[in-house]
Amino acid sequence: GAVVSQHPSRVICKSGTSVKIECRSLDFQATTMFWYRQFPKQSLMLMATSNEGSKATYEQGVEKDKFLINHASLTLSTLTVTSAHPEDSSFYICSARARNTDTQYFGPGTRLTVL
Amino acid sequence: GEDVEQSLFLSVREGDSSVINCTYTDSSSTYLYWYKQEPGAGLQLLTYIFSNMDMKQDQRLTVLLNKKDKHLSLRIADTQTGDSAIYFCADSFSGNTPLVFGKGTRLSVIA
Repeated sequence: GAVVSQHPSRVICKSGTSVKIECRSLDFQATTMFWYRQFPKQSLMLMATSNEGSKATYEQGVEKDKFLINHASLTLSTLTVTSAHPEDSSFYICSARARNTDTQYFGPGTRLTVL
Repeated sequence: GEDVEQSLFLSVREGDSSVINCTYTDSSSTYLYWYKQEPGAGLQLLTYIFSNMDMKQDQRLTVLLNKKDKHLSLRIADTQTGDSAIYFCADSFSGNTPLVFGKGTRLSVIA
């Protein structure tokens, strides 16, 4: 089946630094990628929708200047958490939809801890 | 807004069947999914069903859809300890729209 990878799987950083998370579709071209955030013991909340070659669409309440999303190619989307703070600590998961399919495939997630 | 509801906990004995229930509010949902999340890991797609289907079976997994009542269930036959995880129900209007997730059902399997 389709595989989506995320890198890094876990990151610990100091408050004020920026962290980039990569989401890659390994064996298919992803025309659309989604970024989700999951707080402990809660469900996934959609942050933004990313289409290749265009600007991401952010959900209400998500700061686009803080969570920078770049979908530069059909196999790669990046999420950069700028000037991270402890409240940004969370599990970030991406999903990707292949061209001409209806199923979304999820990455394994990235656990961000901001000290 | 649209909502997906699940019970939060389910405990079963090893070898028994598990049934996880889910209700959704959006009648235009076309795709309904079940995902499994093991501790510290991402989501694993277990199965999905189109809204024009009533049932889908895949090995130990059976999905039942009652579109009239907007009710979805996942049955796991012969539940094993390795099935212990959080199971998320989700729906979407199309494959190109974001999923709306339930809060997840934590399944505990007792040996």
